[in-house]
Amino acid sequence: DAGVIQSPRHEVTEMGQEVTLRCKPISGHNSLFWYRQTMMRGLELLIYFNNNVPIDDSGMPEDRFSAKMPNASFSTLKIQPSEPRDSAVYFCASDLPGNTIYFGEGSWLTVV
Amino acid sequence: AQSVAQPEDQVNVAEGNPLTVKCTYSVSGNPYLFWYVQYPNRGLQFLLKYITGDNLVKGSYGFEAEFNKSQTSFHLKKPSALVSDSALYFCAVRDGGNFNKFYFGSGTKLNVKP
Repeated sequence: DAGVIQSPRHEVTEMGQEVTLRCKPISGHNSLFWYRQTMMRGLELLIYFNNNVPIDDSGMPEDRFSAKMPNASFSTLKIQPSEPRDSAVYFCASDLPGNTIYFGEGSWLTVV
Repeated sequence: AQSVAQPEDQVNVAEGNPLTVKCTYSVSGNPYLFWYVQYPNRGLQFLLKYITGDNLVKGSYGFEAEFNKSQTSFHLKKPSALVSDSALYFCAVRDGGNFNKFYFGSGTKLNVKP
């Protein structure tokens, strides 16, 4: 299996621009998670989906952040407009409930 | 409330010596416990997990972890450390009542010196 695939791996953008991060979960996994990792706050759960339905988005920091999962093999995390404090590594992960979560390699976002 | 604590921000050990990375947890039901490793500029990689059964769990790269119910601990161990084990280690617990909730510790940086 190819694992969880994220794109882009690295993105540098200017403040105010829209950023879209993409994720393809492992085939057959029906739960998908978006995490954010920073030095200051560590690993934070932003949102998770089960069977393409958002279950808990309480970790989404503000209305500037939105996530969608239009089908079982694709999800996006969008930031609009982006701000320098959004600079972080964003991880997507997937699993079967009750099992092991597998992470992608992350999207490294820098907002200048 | 469910939570995971990793009391040490950093652990230093000499190559060839045994290593322990500590983790304690708090859950309302039966715990599902995990260890992940993160190398620089990489995602988190699954090392091992405890669901039920033998309290000593063996995982990847020679790591093992011991589940201790009375002490609510799940410490990661390796008999002989390698320089290549230097990385960031995360303990995690899954809520048995809500499998979609995964709680991560703050991470412990392991430094193995030659």
